Amino acid sequence: AQSVTQLGSHVSVSEGALVLLRCNYSSSVPPYLFWYVQYPNQGLQLLLKYTTGATLVKGINGFEAEFKKSETSFHLTKPSAHMSDAAEYFCAVSGLNTGNQFYFGTGTSLTVIP
Amino acid sequence: EAGVTQFPSHSVIEKGQTVTLRCDPISGHDNLYWYRRVMGKEIKFLLHFVKESKQDESGMPNNRFLAERTGGTYSTLKVQPAELEDSGVYFCASSQQGSGPQYFGPGTRLLVL
Repeated sequence: AQSVTQLGSHVSVSEGALVLLRCNYSSSVPPYLFWYVQYPNQGLQLLLKYTTGATLVKGINGFEAEFKKSETSFHLTKPSAHMSDAAEYFCAVSGLNTGNQFYFGTGTSLTVIP
Repeated sequence: EAGVTQFPSHSVIEKGQTVTLRCDPISGHDNLYWYRRVMGKEIKFLLHFVKESKQDESGMPNNRFLAERTGGTYSTLKVQPAELEDSGVYFCASSQQGSGPQYFGPGTRLLVL
């Protein structure tokens, strides 16, 4: 079975500070991992994905995430927060045996303090 | 290229009424998914179409929910009769390949009073 845990439903950072959003997953098969962002009144936008290959993946808007199999984690980071990063972030996992359905975490709302 | 679109963006109905949500996937995407997010909880899978066929409908809550995708293009999700617990945001997503990233629409915010 697949599941996703996002620690911290709300995270606040100062503008220019490091952003770290945590995601841990459980999966009985090698997972595909995704981060999505939802800006107010918009749909979910794909930030980045891991399927195979390099475990450090870079996405849009300066975000990156590292797949750590030993820790079953896929934390999202950005070196320097910008005001425009304020949004809700969702981690998701899928796999070949899940019928391609995504399992999402509960989301983390990021606030950037000027 | 147009993204996934959903209609309506918001719907407020009374318990017992019927509501139909529509999703237009990205052109050429055979895979279409419906998800729902109840307030404060995770986004949950409802069902998956491949073209006009239901590939997986294991997430459908009960038989008050009916999804169709006639012709393999747009899809509708009907809730009849609606109950209070059906309130939430209904997302549609599409993908070109079953194992590829899914592209989401803006969602329909349903409120059942």
